[in-house]
Amino acid sequence: AQSVTQLDSQVPVFEEAPVELRCNYSSSVSVYLFWYVQYPNQGLQLLLKYLSGSTLVESINGFEAEFNKSQTSFHLRKPSVHISDTAEYFCAVSERNFGNEKLTFGTGTRLTIIP
Amino acid sequence: DTGVSQNPRHKITKRGQNVTFRCDPISEHNRLYWYRQTLGQGPEFLTYFQNEAQLEKSRLLSDRFSAERPKGSFSTLEIQRTEQGDSAMYLCASMQTSGLYEQYFGPGTRLTVT
Repeated sequence: AQSVTQLDSQVPVFEEAPVELRCNYSSSVSVYLFWYVQYPNQGLQLLLKYLSGSTLVESINGFEAEFNKSQTSFHLRKPSVHISDTAEYFCAVSERNFGNEKLTFGTGTRLTIIP
Repeated sequence: DTGVSQNPRHKITKRGQNVTFRCDPISEHNRLYWYRQTLGQGPEFLTYFQNEAQLEKSRLLSDRFSAERPKGSFSTLEIQRTEQGDSAMYLCASMQTSGLYEQYFGPGTRLTVT
């Protein structure tokens, strides 16, 4: 069975500073990787995903994540954060070739932007 | 709005009562998932449907839980004889099996069992 670890439950960052949210996973098979974001009082939204190909994937609002197979990691980064990035971020995995595409989530990281 | 909708958004019930939640997926999506999220945790998989067929249930899903998706459209999740431990946010997500692997989540139903 797969598992996801997000070691940082809360990350405070000053506005316009860079941020990295860490995600490590464990699985006996190859996986698909996702970052979901939950803004205050809203549902989960897909931020970005890694399925195959280039290990660096980007979102439309400036976030990027890099799949590192040897370190079983999929850390999320942004070079300069904005107040509007305040949200909870969830890393998730789905095992390839099982056919169910069910997601296993980490416990989330709450990103707080300090003006 | 053609997103995933869930009703009710909030439900308060007394222990021992039965509750039913509804999820309306995005219309062309053939997959529908139910997850449960408790405070401080990420969502946990409960069950999923491919069209009207329920293909997998988590061990988290006790016999008191039942889910249906008649005609492959909306889905219902029923909890019988609710317990305080059932208090959680119940999330529904839908997806089209087109190779994009993108699940779209509804706003959730928050259940409080008193």
